Amino acid sequence: KNEVEQSPQNLTAQEGEFITINCSYSVGISALHWLQQHPGGGIVSLFMLSSGKKKHGRLIATINIQEKHSSLHITASHPRDSAVYICAVRPLETSGSRLTFGEGTQLTVNP
Amino acid sequence: KAGVTQTPRYLIKTRGQQVTLSCSPISGHRSVSWYQQTPGQGLQFLFEYFSETQRNKGNFPGRFSGRQFSNSRSEMNVSTLELGDSALYLCASSFLGQNTEAFFGQGTRLTVV
Repeated sequence: KNEVEQSPQNLTAQEGEFITINCSYSVGISALHWLQQHPGGGIVSLFMLSSGKKKHGRLIATINIQEKHSSLHITASHPRDSAVYICAVRPLETSGSRLTFGEGTQLTVNP
Repeated sequence: KAGVTQTPRYLIKTRGQQVTLSCSPISGHRSVSWYQQTPGQGLQFLFEYFSETQRNKGNFPGRFSGRQFSNSRSEMNVSTLELGDSALYLCASSFLGQNTEAFFGQGTRLTVV
């Protein structure tokens, strides 16, 4: 079993829909990251969370440390949101900036 | 402020050759981590350098090595390339490492033929 599990693996939505991507992890962490990867490879960091909730534009990320669960929400989705969304955690047992990744969620938003 | 720069962006090598990839972190960042991304294994941690010292190492064979220079630029080297080394290699820089945001480069896509 992977230390970081994401669901769903694939998600297709219509423009304007509210989207939720879930991430569960099995280890103690110091931080959780949500990342976005477009075709071509480059990764953009969307959020880094250690507690609570963060919002940036149409994106909202929440984390429940006790339940070891995080969600990424996209409100009023748009075709430009189509990308792979990756959840990554920084395990407490490791020093430094080592990240452990989920398998990613491929999001496609149709116009 | 310039982002994380990886060079080259694309590379084709033959089995048995060696390759060196470069990563220039954001100015002021002292931590550089390297990751390998393949369709089958996803993103996997290779190693992390902080102030010219390797701080963490992932489960990769000794053919994979790296170093960091005094200006925080980092290189990774893969010797005796195998077909399975074909992947996207990403580096990420952060200011201190733990609990600071990581910024990723565009990656180097390595194809081994």
